[in-house]
Amino acid sequence: AQTVTQSQPEMSVQEAETVTLSCTYDTSESDYYLFWYKQPPSRQMILVIRQEAYKQQNATENRFSVNFQKAAKSFSLKISDSQLGDAAMYFCAYRTTYSGAGSYQLTFGKGTKLSVIP
Amino acid sequence: AAGVIQSPRHLIKEKRETATLKCYPIPRHDTVYWYQQGPGQDPQFLISFYEKMQSDKGSIPDRFSAQQFSDYHSELNMSSLELGDSALYFCASSLGYQGYEQYFGPGTRLTVT
Repeated sequence: AQTVTQSQPEMSVQEAETVTLSCTYDTSESDYYLFWYKQPPSRQMILVIRQEAYKQQNATENRFSVNFQKAAKSFSLKISDSQLGDAAMYFCAYRTTYSGAGSYQLTFGKGTKLSVIP
Repeated sequence: AAGVIQSPRHLIKEKRETATLKCYPIPRHDTVYWYQQGPGQDPQFLISFYEKMQSDKGSIPDRFSAQQFSDYHSELNMSSLELGDSALYFCASSLGYQGYEQYFGPGTRLTVT
């Protein structure tokens, strides 16, 4: 079974600064998807960014980018020019692409709570 | 754009009562996932459906059951509620069995007293 580990329960960043959230995962599969979800105080789960394992290029979405190191099974999220609205819980998630799987549910890490200091 | 709809948004029940949570996926989405998120926890997969058939089960108690209907909406039925069932229940939908992007609904907050 796949596991996802987020080793930073809490992080803080000064507004307009850059912060990196860490995520590692364990899998024996060669192809899969990785995601970062944001959960603000409203508790809505919002997809921030996704990465296909077969792609070597790191995904980028505006101020959000990832550092995907497949061999190291590492998938960190970098938030540039942090804004007050970035304050939230961030979850790293894994999804198999194996067609023999029962379904394609997400396996989440425990989350990192990000605070943004004005 | 239309999003996933969940109802009710909040639900308060007493122990041993039953509860039904509903999920209306994004139009044309045929796959539904249910997740449970306890206080301070990450979401845990409960059950999923594809084309009205159950596709997988996760850590779903036997007291819970679910189904997907012909219009693709899904219902999660919870009986003999326990205090530990208090959680946020998410429904997510995707297009196609292998649709890699799951769109989450706002969740139903269930409180068992």
